[in-house]
Amino acid sequence: EDQVTQSPEALRLQEGESSSLNCSYTVSGLRGLFWYRQDPGKGPEFLFTLYSAGEEKEKERLKATLTKKESFLHITAPKPEDSATYLCAVQASGGSNYKLTFGKGTLLTVNP
Amino acid sequence: GAVVSQHPSWVICKSGTSVKIECRSLDFQATTMFWYRQFPKQSLMLMATSNEGSKATYEQGVEKDKFLINHASLTLSTLTVTSAHPEDSSFYICSATVGSGPYYEQYFGPGTRLTVT
Repeated sequence: EDQVTQSPEALRLQEGESSSLNCSYTVSGLRGLFWYRQDPGKGPEFLFTLYSAGEEKEKERLKATLTKKESFLHITAPKPEDSATYLCAVQASGGSNYKLTFGKGTLLTVNP
Repeated sequence: GAVVSQHPSWVICKSGTSVKIECRSLDFQATTMFWYRQFPKQSLMLMATSNEGSKATYEQGVEKDKFLINHASLTLSTLTVTSAHPEDSSFYICSATVGSGPYYEQYFGPGTRLTVT
């Protein structure tokens, strides 16, 4: 069974204080690992898809990296508007659809 | 990125009635859409996979007669909650995949808040 564990559950940062969120996964074969941002009462907003170990992607203050067992979402010099829940999900290879298994998320709060 | 819309954004209904939620892909065609539900402070749980022109595939523990899914076109999937009860109150979110082969992205709608009284 595919499993995704995110840590920490919650993280408080001061504006400008860089940090990383972790996503550990267990999957029979990885087709893709996804990162999303979710604001309260809204649907998840797509950030990145990573496909193979060693891959990195960047978007503004966010950088996602992938190894064979985990992924990190690095946040550089965060701003209050980066406050949200960040979700990690995996999709296993071998399936005919694009079903995602989600972790429980990390609630990030950035204080001004 | 691709845009997925949902309607309504929120709905309140009485126990025993049925509610239909629409999910549309606005600027692309989606042969596969997904329906999730999310309880407060919980992550997303996949309910079913909706395939255009064929029957939906439900996850274990999801009642297919209670949650009816229809994917009548390449841009529209609907979820009908039949004989709704208070325990069905939740946040329902749909998603659609863009791309093919090994490289793709999955986009989510804004969600529908269902409250059953």
